[in-house]
Amino acid sequence: DAGVTQSPTHLIKTRGQQVTLRCSPKSGHDTVSWYQQALGQGPQFIFQYYEEEERQRGNFPDRFSGHQFPNYSSELNVNALLLGDSALYLCASSSLESGNTIYFGEGSWLTVV
Amino acid sequence: DAKTTQPTSMDCAEGRAANLPCNHSTISGNEYVYWYRQIHSQGPQYIIHGLKNNETNEMASLIITEDRKSSTLILPHATLRDTAVYYCIVSNAGGTSYGKLTFGQGTILTVHP
Repeated sequence: DAGVTQSPTHLIKTRGQQVTLRCSPKSGHDTVSWYQQALGQGPQFIFQYYEEEERQRGNFPDRFSGHQFPNYSSELNVNALLLGDSALYLCASSSLESGNTIYFGEGSWLTVV
Repeated sequence: DAKTTQPTSMDCAEGRAANLPCNHSTISGNEYVYWYRQIHSQGPQYIIHGLKNNETNEMASLIITEDRKSSTLILPHATLRDTAVYYCIVSNAGGTSYGKLTFGQGTILTVHP
């Protein structure tokens, strides 16, 4: 049983560009959340998707957007990249019907230069 | 979600039990206590969670005080591979904040040979 998988694992972008990160949730999970983790800090909640809609959102600007597909996989898009967007982006999946455990992927390292 | 307080760092000798404390004095009745750990550059790993009863799994034990204002994560026989940042998180699993975890700074546990 594959856990939460994310791609790509590492990428470098130039300031002002756009990036798309992808996540496949753990089998049986229907809820996907995204987190940003800057170096030396704990992960910060960006937003959550359920039934292809954004259900909760943290304190992040509209440059951060997402999407969830019918197979529950999800994308995180960041527009107009800033140097401060350099971070580890984590995807987490869960399902109320499968219990209250939330599982994380290994993350995508984004460096903005 | 209720705020948690953890020591910044702790040391433990290999083979000994590691006891990691967490204070969550403002926890409400429907909030769970979750523990995750993060090894450098990896995604957070779920360890255990509980509501009010003590819990044990193959990784650790969770002891929650009767008033639920504090808890202790116990790694019974620490190994070098247990060196990581340990996060104690309080979350309203199943409620409006479902799937949203608020991470603090965590405890850096260092296991020595």
